Amino acid sequence: DTEVTQTPKHLVMGMTNKKSLKCEQHMGHRAMYWYKQKAKKPPELMFVYSYEKLSINESVPSRFSPECPNSSLLNLHLHALQPEDSALYLCASSPLGKGTEAFFGQGTRLTVV
Amino acid sequence: GQSLEQPSEVTAVEGAIVQINCTYQTSGFYGLSWYQQHDGGAPTFLSYNALDGLEETGRFSSFLSRSDSYGYLLLQELQMKDSASYFCAVRTGGGNKLTFGTGTQLKVEL
Repeated sequence: DTEVTQTPKHLVMGMTNKKSLKCEQHMGHRAMYWYKQKAKKPPELMFVYSYEKLSINESVPSRFSPECPNSSLLNLHLHALQPEDSALYLCASSPLGKGTEAFFGQGTRLTVV
Repeated sequence: GQSLEQPSEVTAVEGAIVQINCTYQTSGFYGLSWYQQHDGGAPTFLSYNALDGLEETGRFSSFLSRSDSYGYLLLQELQMKDSASYFCAVRTGGGNKLTFGTGTQLKVEL
């Protein structure tokens, strides 16, 4: 199974809502990532988890809160978002190591209204 | 900081060969990867170069020159399905940080 599964596929939320994005992989990868991607732009790294611990936070606003409950799951909790946060949110996983391939989920298309 | 620059758009005809360049400035460089992303899809891994030289995988080849901070992706025998965005990416930060280049949109025409 070389799949990274993200749910939901689409999400519309108001600026006062709280929602969560979920990501799951069963490849035994110990590195998991959240990226944000705007249209016609590259994926922009947000967070990296290594061995279920947050190892990189790319100065992401606190209205985005990541969580890694176990080695297969990665969540992104959203609260008080702004319309400019509307984007495709991609989850990825990879084995730890320098040249390893990252596997991406299909993403959650988020619209903040 | 880090920067990875690519041409924004490349157009080629079916059956042709196209080269997508990537120049980078980064610290703690481990290697250069290439990813393909179709509209509405997820990025998928194409290749990785840790050392100077050419790596070949089917119709795709990737080249790296560490001394020039430069790499390229070569696509041969272009097919319509190759129309997509292509990103170079570097691993830094002990290998766990994967940062993407600006991206190149490839359009393959008949």
